[in-house]
Amino acid sequence: GAVVSQHPSRVICKSGTSVKIECRSLDFQATTMFWYRQFPKQSLMLMATSNEGSKATYEQGVEKDKFLINHASLTLSTLTVTSAHPEDSSFYICSAIRRGSEAFFGQGTRLTVV
Amino acid sequence: AQKITQTQPGMFVQEKEAVTLDCTYDTSDQSYGLFWYKQPSSGEMIFLIYQGSYDEQNATEGRYSLNFQKARKSANLVISASQLGDSAMYFCAVEETSGSRLTFGEGTQLTVNP
Repeated sequence: GAVVSQHPSRVICKSGTSVKIECRSLDFQATTMFWYRQFPKQSLMLMATSNEGSKATYEQGVEKDKFLINHASLTLSTLTVTSAHPEDSSFYICSAIRRGSEAFFGQGTRLTVV
Repeated sequence: AQKITQTQPGMFVQEKEAVTLDCTYDTSDQSYGLFWYKQPSSGEMIFLIYQGSYDEQNATEGRYSLNFQKARKSANLVISASQLGDSAMYFCAVEETSGSRLTFGEGTQLTVNP
């Protein structure tokens, strides 16, 4: 079964609103989680590294104020897309690494901004 | 920084035949990990196989095997006895140090024909 759960799987929102995406590690503690963005038929691009109890580390070119990341507990990281615009429409996917194992990915969230 | 190259945007194979998906990488790290993931149209990322840079033997997982040629910085995925359900996008990824982020290649879209 899934060890990383991401919610929601699909969301449609109006331009200008904010959307929160949750990523939970189900049966292990994840001090670090990663958020990726994927455009159609393209690769996964790392947006940021979410660190429990501290600020996220953002990749170059990713707007911190637009993509707010909160890693408030060892099993939950959230990505909030603030003031969403149509160009933010994309597939967002998180991953968490269980100690001694490979990275596990959430199911992904398909965001459509209309 | 790592760079992953998958030179085959699309590959076709007949059911029950074997297929090789190419992956080359460029990293200055001495210790690294190589991963292959499968992404069906649903978007989820499915872990297939892992190869550590110091592993002397090629990794195998069921019908998946990794042809690891360290000197050539090549980590090709071999899928034997292809099945219709193998049709998906396949990503090669490198992990620079254990527990860190993954850098993905552009992906190869595999289509298995009946």
